[in-house]
Amino acid sequence: GEDVEQSLFLSVREGDSSVINCTYTDSSSTYLYWYKQEPGAGLQLLTYIFSNMDMKQDQRLTVLLNKKDKHLSLRIADTQTGDSAIYFCAEIPSNTGKLIFGQGTTLQVKP
Amino acid sequence: DAGITQSPRHKVTETGTPVTLRCHQTENHRYMYWYRQDPGHGLRLIHYSYGVKDTDKGEVSDGYSVSRSKTEDFLLTLESATSSQTSVYFCAISGDFNEKLFFGSGTQLSVL
Repeated sequence: GEDVEQSLFLSVREGDSSVINCTYTDSSSTYLYWYKQEPGAGLQLLTYIFSNMDMKQDQRLTVLLNKKDKHLSLRIADTQTGDSAIYFCAEIPSNTGKLIFGQGTTLQVKP
Repeated sequence: DAGITQSPRHKVTETGTPVTLRCHQTENHRYMYWYRQDPGHGLRLIHYSYGVKDTDKGEVSDGYSVSRSKTEDFLLTLESATSSQTSVYFCAISGDFNEKLFFGSGTQLSVL
């Protein structure tokens, strides 16, 4: 199918690590993306990974890609209250060229 | 927001009236998109443009039209607004098709 699946909600304590998971549809998708949406704002490109990579690290963010299982994860180290937002994963399946977003995971960070 | 401005930010209108939303970019990006965001549906593509006067339909284009007369402006028109078009509308731009989109701040549209 064409659904990119994410769990809807994650709650963590400030300072803990957060892991947001995503299952995508097409193992040949070239790029996989993570977008962040803060309340009342548009989506902001957070990071992305090219399909020939297994991992990408950018400061507190670590993206892991498991092509065999079509699983993408975003780990946020030392989660802060400013990380509270909705996180969307997205892919571009090679057979359609369409950009498909997941439903988004709401991350709640408790002080 | 990467040089993207959406106007208006909020609009309340009545069923049956025409509505036009504007997206203006200063990045000179080739591709521009209109999405709507609704609870339970995530983001859905309405229309997109790949150049001046070049547009194409997305997955939820019924009831919407678009125009792009200049590189920097992309207009979304609801010819006769319906309550089902109450939503948050986002414009996005990119240099390559569907890659690394930059989004505007959104327009909250309420159709009563």
